[in-house]
Amino acid sequence: GDSVTQTEGLVTLTKGLPVMLNCTYQTTYSPFLFWYVQHLNEAPKLLLKSSTDNKRTEHQGFYATLHKSSSSFHLQKSSVQLSDSALYFCALRGSGGSNAKLTFGKGTKLSVKS
Amino acid sequence: SVLLYQKPNRDICQSGTSLKIQCVADSQVVSMFWYQQFQEQSLMLMATANEGSEATYESGFTKDKFPISRPNLTFSTLTVNNARPGDSSIYFCSSSEGVGTEVFFGKGTRLTVV
Repeated sequence: GDSVTQTEGLVTLTKGLPVMLNCTYQTTYSPFLFWYVQHLNEAPKLLLKSSTDNKRTEHQGFYATLHKSSSSFHLQKSSVQLSDSALYFCALRGSGGSNAKLTFGKGTKLSVKS
Repeated sequence: SVLLYQKPNRDICQSGTSLKIQCVADSQVVSMFWYQQFQEQSLMLMATANEGSEATYESGFTKDKFPISRPNLTFSTLTVNNARPGDSSIYFCSSSEGVGTEVFFGKGTRLTVV
């Protein structure tokens, strides 16, 4: 079945520093990859998505590139802010039509300090 | 995009009782899903709610414990039967408009079983 691996459980950074959150995946289908962000006591919200190999996608200062050769979709930002403190989930939709499942990684908690 | 309205927002129930969570979409959607999330952990897919037929459950979730109905393309309910403290978590309904599109989430129902 599909799987998503996020290696960092907690990342703590000082504001203004760059960050990279790792995401690798496994699927036998053509993948759609997503990054969701979840702030405290809120629902997950879409941050980025991609299904195009080697094309960088950006939103709100975050960016990621899907690399099918390495099955990766790492999330980056050049300068984190206090408001970026949240849970970040990498997620994968494989095949299966409209009912294709969204499989989440375990999540990475980003804590930004002043 | 799709807006999903869940109610109740939160509830406290006694062990052994049942709780029903409702989810209403602002437009007809093909796919509806239910997720469970324990505090600051990943989102686990519980089941896919199928219009007019039985839900499709993921491993670890059963229809006896978590019956799901979906009478039409805008509405679904999740019931938690014989609630136990281990069921205390946040339950999210979600939906998508197609294979490559994002999955939208309701605001969640925070359940505490005492």
